[in-house]
Amino acid sequence: DIVMTQSPDSLAVSLGERATINCKSSQSVFYSPNNKNHLGWYQQKPGQPPKLLIYWASTRESGVPDRFSGSGSGTDFTLTISSLQAEDAAVYFCQQYLSTPHTFGQGTKLEIK
Amino acid sequence: QVQLQESGPGLVKPSETLSLTCTVSGASISSKCWSWIRQPPGKGLEWIGYVCYSGNTNSNPSLKSRVTISLDTSKNQVSLKLTSVTAADTAFYYCARHADASFWSPFDYWGQGTLVTVSS
Repeated sequence: DIVMTQSPDSLAVSLGERATINCKSSQSVFYSPNNKNHLGWYQQKPGQPPKLLIYWASTRESGVPDRFSGSGSGTDFTLTISSLQAEDAAVYFCQQYLSTPHTFGQGTKLEIK
Repeated sequence: QVQLQESGPGLVKPSETLSLTCTVSGASISSKCWSWIRQPPGKGLEWIGYVCYSGNTNSNPSLKSRVTISLDTSKNQVSLKLTSVTAADTAFYYCARHADASFWSPFDYWGQGTLVTVSS
């Protein structure tokens, strides 16, 4: 199985500041035939299902604010929220979909300072 | 608008079979792959398995042979059966759609989830 490890487990950021969440996979999730990283980021608020924010490591899902961005390749990835808004308080998960079992990171809880 | 709605018993006895249904509206289940994912309260996400219209199906080895996932195209539903449940199977269960007609894609739509508690 590909193990996904996120850091930090939690962080508190002030409104308007930048938040950065890291995700590391135990094996590369880059697939040469399609030249893509099979890596997604999700946001989950209390009582709600996860919501897809970023896929292919850096493509923003339709309707997601442009303050959310994803970067990285191979085994190391980052989710950045450029200017934190109150509604961004949530738990964020990375997920690899290169191989089965599809696996998720343990989650990073983002709070407003 | 694509919507997914899970349904089924909220309480299952140990050793019995957990059966859930995901009813899809706004899209045909015939064009994508569909997964079940679970989340114990306050914990992380675990992928259970997927089924595609092509008939391709796979499940998490951690659940061994307890999982069956299937499609009912006449009702536009995806179903999950998990046998021989224990308290460790207590979780919110989500159905989710793969963004492409392949399981090598992220989950772009999720149901609201349903809590299943395993207890006698």
